[in-house]
Amino acid sequence: SQQGEEDPQALSIQEGENATMNCSYKTSINNLQWYRQNSGRGLVHLILIRSNEREKHSGRLRVTLDTSKKSSSLLITASRAADTASYFCATALNDYKLSFGAGTTVTVRA
Amino acid sequence: KAGVTQTPRYLIKTRGQQVTLSCSPISGHRSVSWYQQTPGQGLQFLFEYFSETQRNKGNFPGRFSGRQFSNSRSEMNVSTLELGDSALYLCASSLQWRDYEQYFGPGTRLTVT
Repeated sequence: SQQGEEDPQALSIQEGENATMNCSYKTSINNLQWYRQNSGRGLVHLILIRSNEREKHSGRLRVTLDTSKKSSSLLITASRAADTASYFCATALNDYKLSFGAGTTVTVRA
Repeated sequence: KAGVTQTPRYLIKTRGQQVTLSCSPISGHRSVSWYQQTPGQGLQFLFEYFSETQRNKGNFPGRFSGRQFSNSRSEMNVSTLELGDSALYLCASSLQWRDYEQYFGPGTRLTVT
């Protein structure tokens, strides 16, 4: 069963706009990670945020984590065509297994 | 440094057959995990190997098995293939066991007919 659930399932934005997607999870976690997947290929690790962190930045990416609400958000600023992909959140429990959500498909229109 | 490599990239098999997929981790990485990705079930953890030993296992039937060699390369095997085994199989490597940051390969697309 999936621990995380992303919202929305799909997102279409204009190049230059910001894209925001959310992830909710069910149980306490050690950390939460975001991955990107281009068109059925391998996953690329974007960012890891630990349970004691509230916000983290990496380039045009901003991730927040609210453990009280069991939710996280990923913001991509100034989107580009190359950001078109599926984005997954993954949570890690004490057993170190990653549990992935169903993903948000982002389409950036030129 | 070369990334995670998986072979073959594409595979077509018939129901009842068996298949072996291979994964070479990033040089220096000692832990290898396998995931199955399907449109219906999403990404699901299969198992993790470290030091040639299976350290963690997901909820998959015994038809799914794997192993790891002394050079950290890993193989997974699926016996008596079923149509529902059609999926993208992803391998991920990490430096150590219980390392949260994993680096994924491009995957092997298995189609069972």
